[in-house]
Amino acid sequence: GQQVMQIPQYQHVQEGEDFTTYCNSSTTLSNIQWYKQRPGGHPVFLIQLVKSGEVKKQKRLTFQFGEAKKNSSLHITATQTTDVGTYFCAGRISYIPTFGRGTSLIVHP
Amino acid sequence: KAGVTQTPRYLIKTRGQQVTLSCSPISGHRSVSWYQQTPGQGLQFLFEYFSETQRNKGNFPGRFSGRQFSNSRSEMNVSTLELGDSALYLCASSLTSSASGNLQETQYFGPGTRLLVL
Repeated sequence: GQQVMQIPQYQHVQEGEDFTTYCNSSTTLSNIQWYKQRPGGHPVFLIQLVKSGEVKKQKRLTFQFGEAKKNSSLHITATQTTDVGTYFCAGRISYIPTFGRGTSLIVHP
Repeated sequence: KAGVTQTPRYLIKTRGQQVTLSCSPISGHRSVSWYQQTPGQGLQFLFEYFSETQRNKGNFPGRFSGRQFSNSRSEMNVSTLELGDSALYLCASSLTSSASGNLQETQYFGPGTRLLVL
């Protein structure tokens, strides 16, 4: 069925290294959202991308939306221990809110 | 503004029982969505309500139902509980407004209700 794929499932990094998670949809999305869920917590909204090729930055986080609006990425520069958590992308497929399985980021001090 | 609240936070039930979970959205938000989160399946959409009307429904059996009241508060019910229904149930509210022609779909999640079915 139609879905949103996210890779990698897990990523271990040393503090200070960069991190990237990729999101691919089986169909064109009108927009895409990114969320972060800390261990034991609930998803927290980070950003929404709408335009083809859009790039948005939030301090050390850079979000991109692909030209075809079927893929997106989140890049974190110089990770910190506070970045630990699972990062989800989400979009509507056939009107249904669909989340990727998430990428769990583990930062080693 | 107060955030999304969900009650109860934890629940233990046995197979065959039914359960009702409650969600109070952020004041002014008229859209409420429910999700089931499990380690095996991730975040899966259950249903979405807007102004007391179900807008969309995910691929879950009819044992899962929900409703929204005139004050935007929402409840979901699971009947004839199965072991596989053990999960974190998340409610999310959104304004779902349109700004500059782009639909704003920011969802604000509550802390969830952790359901354990024995």
